[in-house]
Amino acid sequence: DAGVIQSPRHEVTEMGQEVTLRCKPISGHNSLFWYRQTMMRGLELLIYFNNNVPIDDSGMPEDRFSAKMPNASFSTLKIQPSEPRDSAVYFCASSDQGRIQETQYFGPGTRLLVL
Amino acid sequence: AQKITQTQPGMFVQEKEAVTLDCTYDTSDQSYGLFWYKQPSSGEMIFLIYQGSYDEQNATEGRYSLNFQKARKSANLVISASQLGDSAMYICAMRESFGNEKLTFGTGTRLTIIP
Repeated sequence: DAGVIQSPRHEVTEMGQEVTLRCKPISGHNSLFWYRQTMMRGLELLIYFNNNVPIDDSGMPEDRFSAKMPNASFSTLKIQPSEPRDSAVYFCASSDQGRIQETQYFGPGTRLLVL
Repeated sequence: AQKITQTQPGMFVQEKEAVTLDCTYDTSDQSYGLFWYKQPSSGEMIFLIYQGSYDEQNATEGRYSLNFQKARKSANLVISASQLGDSAMYICAMRESFGNEKLTFGTGTRLTIIP
């Protein structure tokens, strides 16, 4: 079975540019999560969707960040305009909601460097 | 207050020895789940083991076991017969209450296995 797929795996961009990160969750999973990981703050939840609907976006840093899930098999996280402090690893994860023991399965992450 | 506390930033262990990684948590919920993830230097997040708050027995998965002490609110990960490939960051996480899918993560323990 294919796991969570993220693209691109690495992204280097200049400050002010738009960045779009993509995620394909595991087929059949109905919840999708976007995380950011930095050395200083560890793993932080940015937003999560259930059945394509955003449930909690309280972790989204500011208006420069936006996320969409147009269908069950695709989600995007967009940063516009990007800033150097956005440099981090961005993970997408998916799970099958319903059981508390159901774990979240993570994608390989996107390493973002904003110069 | 921290919901998940991992007090060991780093540990060095001789190959083939057992190792215990500490994790304490804070919650007022009666129903919750505890997870351990492994993050090797390549960066991916690998699910290792799950323990439910109502589980009467400690969880085990191969060489991994979870020493769950509910009264002390601790969920320590035990790795038996450590191997060089166990060198990685280990991150403890908690999911509080049914219906809440958010995971709270600890800051992790970086484990290094010495040959």
